[in-house]
Amino acid sequence: EIVLTQSPDTLSLSPGERATLSCRASQSVTSSYLAWYQQNPGQAPRLLMYGASTRATGIPDRFSGSGSGTDFTLTISRLEPEDFAVYLCQQYGSSPITFGRGTRLEIK
Amino acid sequence: QITLKESGPTLVRPTQTLTLTCTFSGFSLSTRGVGVGWIRQPPEKALEWLALFFWDDEKRYSPSLKRRLTITKDTSKNQVVLTMTNMDTVDTGTYYCAQRTADWYFVLWGRGTPVTVSS
Repeated sequence: EIVLTQSPDTLSLSPGERATLSCRASQSVTSSYLAWYQQNPGQAPRLLMYGASTRATGIPDRFSGSGSGTDFTLTISRLEPEDFAVYLCQQYGSSPITFGRGTRLEIK
Repeated sequence: QITLKESGPTLVRPTQTLTLTCTFSGFSLSTRGVGVGWIRQPPEKALEWLALFFWDDEKRYSPSLKRRLTITKDTSKNQVVLTMTNMDTVDTGTYYCAQRTADWYFVLWGRGTPVTVSS
C-alpha cells in the first residue's frame, strides 16, 4: 500500500502568513488522485481538495493544491484564524486508499 | 442538507463483535456514484479506511481487515451498518462514516463515534 508522509509535523505561523504543507507518497499516485482534508479537534474531517488541485465546494480560493507523482503541496496563501487546524492528505489512486498522519498548523 | 451520524457502543470487550450504524439523510444511496464508507482513527495515528458500500450494492473492504468486516445497508432506514469481529485493544479509536459521490475521496463526514476496546 502507498504510505503518505506529511511534513512538517507541526507548522507555527501567524495570521496573514503563507502556509506550505507537504505530502509525499511512497509510490507514484495514479492520476494525481490526492485529496486534502482539514480537521479541527473533536470534529470530522472537511474535504478541501481533490484531484490534487480542485477545490471542494465552498472552499475559499486562498487554499490551493499542486503536485503530481509522489510530491504534493497544499498552500494557504494568507492564513485566517479559522485555518489553524490539522491537515490530512489521502491518496485514492491505488487500493487500499491511505491517509497521511497530518500536519498541525498552529498559531505562532 | 446532507448529514451522517454514527452510533454504537463506546466500550467493547476483547474478542467481541462491534456493530456500528451510520444513519444518513439528504441523499439516496441508490443514486449512481454514491457510496458510504467507514474510516477509523486510532489515537495519535493516521486515518484508516475500512469499508465502502456503493449505490449498486457493491462492497469493498480494506484488504488487511477484510476477514473481520461486513458492511450492509438498510434502505428503508437510510442506514449503513458495519460489523467488525474479534475486537482487540488496537481497534480502539474514533470511527467515522462518510459519503462518497465520485472516486474514492469523501465529501462529507459524520462527527465520529469513539470506541474503546478494553476488558
